[in-house]
Amino acid sequence: GENVEQHPSTLSVQEGDSAVIKCTYSDSASNYFPWYKQELGKRPQLIIDIRSNVGEKKDQRIAVTLNKTAKHFSLHITETQPEDSAVYFCAARRDGSGSRLTFGEGTQLTVNP
Amino acid sequence: NAGVMQNPRHLVRRRGQEARLRCSPMKGHSHVYWYRQLPEEGLKFMVYLQKENIIDESGMPKERFSAEFPKEGPSILRIQQVVRGDSAAYFCASSPTGQISNEQFFGPGTRLTVL
Repeated sequence: GENVEQHPSTLSVQEGDSAVIKCTYSDSASNYFPWYKQELGKRPQLIIDIRSNVGEKKDQRIAVTLNKTAKHFSLHITETQPEDSAVYFCAARRDGSGSRLTFGEGTQLTVNP
Repeated sequence: NAGVMQNPRHLVRRRGQEARLRCSPMKGHSHVYWYRQLPEEGLKFMVYLQKENIIDESGMPKERFSAEFPKEGPSILRIQQVVRGDSAAYFCASSPTGQISNEQFFGPGTRLTVL
């Protein structure tokens, strides 16, 4: 089955700096890669996703890059703000709406004012 | 359009009791997934259901756990004879019918505490 590894497990940055979180996956058939943000005691919320037919996707301060050959993808947050502090999870799945998400173990991001 | 609903939000059980967790998917969604999140860990897939069918239960423990999604009403995750190791947050997610959208929308979770 799919295995997703995520690094680092904790990340502390100063407000305004950039943050990068990296994930690798094992199943070459995976072709959908979402990123979720989870605040303490809250539900995971999708912040950005990418499909395997593109290499990069941006949404304001958030971007995701995908390297299918190397089987890794990364989340980039620029101009970080204290409200970006949360746990971020990457995930991978095969195409179609009917298959499971395999999650990484999460990255606790702390943005210091 | 209300989001994914779960209840109860918090559930306390003593060892040996039963826990029943409910999930109502978003309107128009016929796919339901259950995930378990142990403290300070990632989400682990448990089971995927469509109406009246279990599609993939490969993440479910072999004993004490069961799930259903009846024709009418919410999806239910049932844990019999709970043990302390079952203490976790249980999240339900739903996705739309068909293959157009990949996104899974998560509910607020049920936090189960076993005393």
